[in-house]
Amino acid sequence: EAGVTQSPTHLIKTRGQQATLRCSPISGHTSVYWYQQALGLGLQFLLWYDEGEERNRGNFPPRFSGRQFPNYSSELNVNALELEDSALYLCASSLIGLAGDTGELFFGEGSRLTVL
Amino acid sequence: AQRVTQPEKLLSVFKGAPVELKCNYSYSGSPELFWYVQYSRQRLQLLLRHISRESIKGFTADLNKGETSFHLKKPFAQEEDSAMYYCALRGINYQLIWGAGTKLIIKP
Repeated sequence: EAGVTQSPTHLIKTRGQQATLRCSPISGHTSVYWYQQALGLGLQFLLWYDEGEERNRGNFPPRFSGRQFPNYSSELNVNALELEDSALYLCASSLIGLAGDTGELFFGEGSRLTVL
Repeated sequence: AQRVTQPEKLLSVFKGAPVELKCNYSYSGSPELFWYVQYSRQRLQLLLRHISRESIKGFTADLNKGETSFHLKKPFAQEEDSAMYYCALRGINYQLIWGAGTKLIIKP
């Protein structure tokens, strides 16, 4: 079974530009989470989508936004990029409240965003 | 307030020595607790969950409700245990709360 896939693997942008990152969850998973992993800062929660709805949002400015599509894939958009947005962006999927829900999150390999 | 605290940002121990990565939580209900691990150049993955009470790769973690702790332990560290470890709590409405992570370095 395919795991969580993210694209692109690497992305280089300049300040002020916009970045779009994509995530495909494991088949059957309805929840998608986005995290930022900046150097030395651990895992910072960005967004959680479930069944197409935004369920929760971390402490990030509104220029971080996203959506979840009917097939449960998801997109993270970062507008007006700043240098400090350079980080590894991780997507995870899980079954929430459904049969087989063990609480486990399954992570992708991440998209590394570099802002110059 | 719901919170997960990993007090050590970095833990360095010698191979063969015991390892204990600390995790304390603050939660009013009955939490589900997890340890995740991220080895170098690998994706973040579940190591163990308190409900299953299992031992994975020689690691165990016991939920101590009195001390609100879920420390991760291994009696004899191996070099391949070097990784980033995160403690996480799942609370009401399936909210996930993460600790800041502990980088474990096993010295040869």
